[in-house]
Amino acid sequence: DAGITQSPRHKVTETGTPVTLRCHQTENHRYMYWYRQDPGHGLRLIHYSYGVKDTDKGEVSDGYSVSRSKTEDFLLTLESATSSQTSVYFCAISGWGGQGAYEQYFGPGTRLTVT
Amino acid sequence: DAKTTQPNSMESNEEEPVHLPCNHSTISGTDYIHWYRQLPSQGPEYVIHGLTSNVNNRMASLAIAEDRKSSTLILHRATLRDAAVYYCIHGVNSGGSNYKLTFGKGTLLTVNP
Repeated sequence: DAGITQSPRHKVTETGTPVTLRCHQTENHRYMYWYRQDPGHGLRLIHYSYGVKDTDKGEVSDGYSVSRSKTEDFLLTLESATSSQTSVYFCAISGWGGQGAYEQYFGPGTRLTVT
Repeated sequence: DAKTTQPNSMESNEEEPVHLPCNHSTISGTDYIHWYRQLPSQGPEYVIHGLTSNVNNRMASLAIAEDRKSSTLILHRATLRDAAVYYCIHGVNSGGSNYKLTFGKGTLLTVNP
């Protein structure tokens, strides 16, 4: 299994509070991703990183920010949590497999509930 | 957007082959076709990917149509552990480091004992 962990695994927070989720990898992979998964929507990309301090937005980035100060850690921050951000959050990592095709390895997920 | 079309659900019997179809009519010449699956309460798991030729690995086979507008994931002998949501995705390489996968809703595979 790819060395990828997420913390916390479960969190309940109140509306308006800041929340930071952490993704940690031991594979030294260049690419890291944050997805959210909601019933009826499948997985949707929030932000991704293609190197230290290099990040870009995905399809549902509003209300989220990310940071990557070292290869192994990718942080997802909800500046002011809202109930619509209640979801399961998955982190993924990948290398680069020539012509762009590569496998993504996913973490176990973080279940976030905003009350 | 990189859209694929899959049936919402399929059913199979244990130890029988399963053919999961996918349409990706907007695929371009350099986009790979990826399949992932997600077991209950777990993160997605890579299954297989390919470009033009059919591909085999220990988990499954991928049959790609000659015009690349459709593909089929083949599980040769379904087991109860194969019950999952299967996602067909075509990755879009928009240049440089911008290679992204767009997950749809997938196909929920039920395997009957």
